[in-house]
Amino acid sequence: SQTIHQWPATLVQPVGSPLSLECTVEGTSNPNLYWYRQAAGRGLQLLFYSVGIGQISSEVPQNLSASRPQDRQFILSSKKLLLSDSGFYLCAWSRGQGGDEQFFGPGTRLTVL
Amino acid sequence: AQSVSQHNHHVILSEAASLELGCNYSYGGTVNLFWYVQYPGQHLQLLLKYFSGDPLVKGIKGFEAEFIKSKFSFNLRKPSVQWSDTAEYFCAVTAGNNDMRFGAGTRLTVKP
Repeated sequence: SQTIHQWPATLVQPVGSPLSLECTVEGTSNPNLYWYRQAAGRGLQLLFYSVGIGQISSEVPQNLSASRPQDRQFILSSKKLLLSDSGFYLCAWSRGQGGDEQFFGPGTRLTVL
Repeated sequence: AQSVSQHNHHVILSEAASLELGCNYSYGGTVNLFWYVQYPGQHLQLLLKYFSGDPLVKGIKGFEAEFIKSKFSFNLRKPSVQWSDTAEYFCAVTAGNNDMRFGAGTRLTVKP
């Protein structure tokens, strides 16, 4: 069966510090991978998605970037965090066909102080 | 761009009451529709999905949803809620691509 992992689970970082959140998927190959930010009362906002190694699509211009160094690894990064980057970040995967069900990880709660 | 509207932000019900959560989307083409649930402290998980066929879709835990194409709606229903249904519910839509759009979510509180 497939599983998706995210770490860390929680993170507190000062403004201006770098960020690296990691997501890995097990039990499948060539998944589509996604990063979302979940804000209270506003649902999930798609930040990035990837259909393959090194292929990243950005949905919203912002202070964040994503990379996919391996087939089942997706990383969300920032060089300098802003206060507004605080939030709950979710990673998800889906099978290769567009529009299919997405499976979500446990999320990372990021607080920028 | 496609968008999803969930009109109820917070719904409070007593156990055994019937539930209907509204979901409307704005997209004129073929869509795939989903309802996800997030129980307190747990992952988002899929309740049900509609791709094609019978517009009345049955999901887990007694939930169902009806796709009404003419109304661009995909409302979630359950005839009798339980305290354990307390959670946040998200409607989502894709247009056959990788761009899944979520509604803002509806928080359901079921009083025992």
